Amino acid sequence: RKEVEQDPGPFNVPEGATVAFNCTYSNSASQSFFWYRQDCRKEPKLLMSVYSSGNEDGRFTAQLNRASQYISLLIRDSKLSDSATYLCVVSSFNKFYFGSGTKLNVKP
Amino acid sequence: EAQVTQNPRYLITVTGKKLTVTCSQNMNHEYMSWYRQDPGLGLRQIYYSMNVEVTDKGDVPEGYKVSRKEKRNFPLILESPSPNQTSLYFCASSKSSLNIQYFGAGTRLSVL
Repeated sequence: RKEVEQDPGPFNVPEGATVAFNCTYSNSASQSFFWYRQDCRKEPKLLMSVYSSGNEDGRFTAQLNRASQYISLLIRDSKLSDSATYLCVVSSFNKFYFGSGTKLNVKP
Repeated sequence: EAQVTQNPRYLITVTGKKLTVTCSQNMNHEYMSWYRQDPGLGLRQIYYSMNVEVTDKGDVPEGYKVSRKEKRNFPLILESPSPNQTSLYFCASSKSSLNIQYFGAGTRLSVL
């Protein structure tokens, strides 16, 4: 079983739509959680860290559910520039584990 | 400017010819790591280093070596590359294993 699992998509949505991604992780002792964005096999860039209390950054909201071991990302009012692959990342015992990514296509 | 620099960006080599991919960071980070990214598999950790002279295996260490003689540098060594090591490689650094990672621009390696 993979440490981190994500739906690969693609999610094809119109501009202005709200879209949500989920990610599950297998190790209940995992300590840190992140969402990264990756464009066309360029380097991943941090979108946001994820906290148990939930956190919001503009149009982006991240949630962590430790009991169910999943992380979510909500994007409101999607822009064309949001088209990318979104990577869920979990830190456990000094190692980082990446999901294989969820591809988002935002269309005019 | 805070950055992680890896070189070369592109490399084509032949089976068995030793190569080194360099990685350097200017953020005084203690944690550094190497990943490979293959289609459908996401990023997988090859090796990581918690600090100078402290390195440990990630999930896919076979065929790779690393060293951490200085805090800023973390080279990846392929002693005898094979075609199954053809991949996109990323170096990353962070303050610790709990913190945000910053990535280099990547190295596209082809082993013929």
